[in-house]
Amino acid sequence: SQQGEEDPQALSIQEGENATMNCSYKTSINNLQWYRQNSGRGLVHLILIRSNEREKHSGRLRVTLDTSKKSSSLLITASRAADTASYFCATDGGTNAGKSTFGDGTTLTVKP
Amino acid sequence: DTEVTQTPKHLVMGMTNKKSLKCEQHMGHRAMYWYKQKAKKPPELMFVYSYEKLSINESVPSRFSPECPNSSLLNLHLHALQPEDSALYLCASSHSPHRGNEQFFGPGTRLTVL
Repeated sequence: SQQGEEDPQALSIQEGENATMNCSYKTSINNLQWYRQNSGRGLVHLILIRSNEREKHSGRLRVTLDTSKKSSSLLITASRAADTASYFCATDGGTNAGKSTFGDGTTLTVKP
Repeated sequence: DTEVTQTPKHLVMGMTNKKSLKCEQHMGHRAMYWYKQKAKKPPELMFVYSYEKLSINESVPSRFSPECPNSSLLNLHLHALQPEDSALYLCASSHSPHRGNEQFFGPGTRLTVL
């Protein structure tokens, strides 16, 4: 089964609003990464947060990690139509060196 | 050059055909990956090459055969595929296979098996 589960599965917002996506995982991790995928294209790495970090920022992105709850969230502020994409969390931990396991993803639609 | 390239972009093949997917990176990365992605699903890891040696095979059927001729190239040889193998095949690379390395993805090859 997949390591990560994301919610919501789909999110539709207006341009300028904030979007929050959540990821939960089952086993201990060393780090968690977020990726974006535009329809039918390759994935683009957004941000990596290590297990000893609680929050990380990159531009309009803010990621939090709560290892006690085995969950992470991705916040996109002041969304734009170009943010429309699927967003995946990926965990990489335990003995699976080099193996990233992706969550089910959240499909974000930002309406202009 | 921070790009992973994949060819072809689209491939249609019959169940008796033999074809190959190609992936190339010139970032000096020593880990390369093949993923399979079905529509509206996350990528599923198939193979990992670490320093040009196969390090992870996620119990992939033998009709998929990976090859890493050198540190920049990764191939996926396809033979006797089934219609359910139709998917987007993604190649990725990272600096090393160790934990915490960002993966750079190619645009993928859209494979249709008739």
